[in-house]
Amino acid sequence: KAGVTQTPRYLIKTRGQQVTLSCSPISGHRSVSWYQQTPGQGLQFLFEYFSETQRNKGNFPGRFSGRQFSNSRSEMNVSTLELGDSALYLCASRVQGNTGELFFGEGSRLTVL
Amino acid sequence: TQLLEQSPQFLSIQEGENLTVYCNSSSVFSSLQWYRQEPGEGPVLLVTVVTGGEVKKLKRLTFQFGDARKDSSLHITAAQPGDTGLYLCAGVKTGGFKTIFGAGTRLFVKA
Repeated sequence: KAGVTQTPRYLIKTRGQQVTLSCSPISGHRSVSWYQQTPGQGLQFLFEYFSETQRNKGNFPGRFSGRQFSNSRSEMNVSTLELGDSALYLCASRVQGNTGELFFGEGSRLTVL
Repeated sequence: TQLLEQSPQFLSIQEGENLTVYCNSSSVFSSLQWYRQEPGEGPVLLVTVVTGGEVKKLKRLTFQFGDARKDSSLHITAAQPGDTGLYLCAGVKTGGFKTIFGAGTRLFVKA
């Protein structure tokens, strides 16, 4: 069974630009969560989608948004990039109703210059 | 303030030594997970504990969930260089769906 796939793996942007990251969950997993990981803050929850609906949202500004498609694939978008948005963005999928176990992709490393 | 407090934050030991990592909270969790993350990769699930007092073993790793389901520990026996990585505890609060992560314990095992 294929794992969680994230694209792109690496990208470099400049301040003010926007970026879109993509995540394909494990087949059969309907929940997709996004996390931001930085050395100083650790893993911070961005949002979770289930059946194309945002179910939970973390404490991030409105510049961070996401969506989920009918095939459970998800995208997240960050607009008006700031230097502090440089981070590893991780996507995780899980089976609905389980004990909270998450299956992560390898992440998208975003560098904002 | 982290909802899940992990300690220590950093640990550097010699191969063959034993170690314990702690994950503490004032909240009750319906389940708690431990993950290991290596550089450039996403976290990989090691174990899930759901019952207070539960103990699970994974080769040289022993995981324990506190009786009150507020804390957990990870004990590694005879650590090896391959155990090097970032260990993360995570949990789902009772009645919730969101998985909350601790800040992590960075382990370095020297050969």
